[in-house]
Amino acid sequence: AQSVTQLDSQVPVFEEAPVELRCNYSSSVSVYLFWYVQYPNQGLQLLLKYLSGSTLVESINGFEAEFNKSQTSFHLRKPSVHISDTAEYFCAVNNNAGNMLTFGGGTRLMVKP
Amino acid sequence: KAGVTQTPRYLIKTRGQQVTLSCSPISGHRSVSWYQQTPGQGLQFLFEYFSETQRNKGNFPGRFSGRQFSNSRSEMNVSTLELGDSALYLCASSLGLAAFQETQYFGPGTRLLVL
Repeated sequence: AQSVTQLDSQVPVFEEAPVELRCNYSSSVSVYLFWYVQYPNQGLQLLLKYLSGSTLVESINGFEAEFNKSQTSFHLRKPSVHISDTAEYFCAVNNNAGNMLTFGGGTRLMVKP
Repeated sequence: KAGVTQTPRYLIKTRGQQVTLSCSPISGHRSVSWYQQTPGQGLQFLFEYFSETQRNKGNFPGRFSGRQFSNSRSEMNVSTLELGDSALYLCASSLGLAAFQETQYFGPGTRLLVL
């Protein structure tokens, strides 16, 4: 069985500061990793994903995540956050068992002016 | 292209009733997955349908069921509602051909309140 742990349920940060949202997973097989973002009263939107190749993946809005197989982590980072980044962020894995994502508990990013 | 649509957006039911939720995937997508989101349990996978067949199933009781039509639209049904079924139900669609690598596109969800 696979599982995903997001170590921080809430992360408060000031605007223009850097941020890291942590994600660790456990799986006995190869995994594919995703970060989704959920804005209030909306569904989830894909931020970025790791399937293979370069371990550093980037999104169009400045977020990046690095796949670390030895530490079974896929932490999400942004060097400078904006107020508009305030949302809940979910890390998810898919372990080659079909279209079945296992999600972490979510991290609420709160960007303060 | 229109996104994933879910109807209704909000629903109030009482214990013991049943409910049917609907999901229309993005045009051309043949896979539809359903997830339940609650504050206590987070996001949990319910089931996935591809070409009218259930391809994957999560760990939910038999009161939760679904189906998919030939146009890829999907419905999920919950019978004998319990208070704990109050949740946001999210539907996601994808092409379904390279399942575990594909991006799933989520709808806005149906918020169900059971009284």
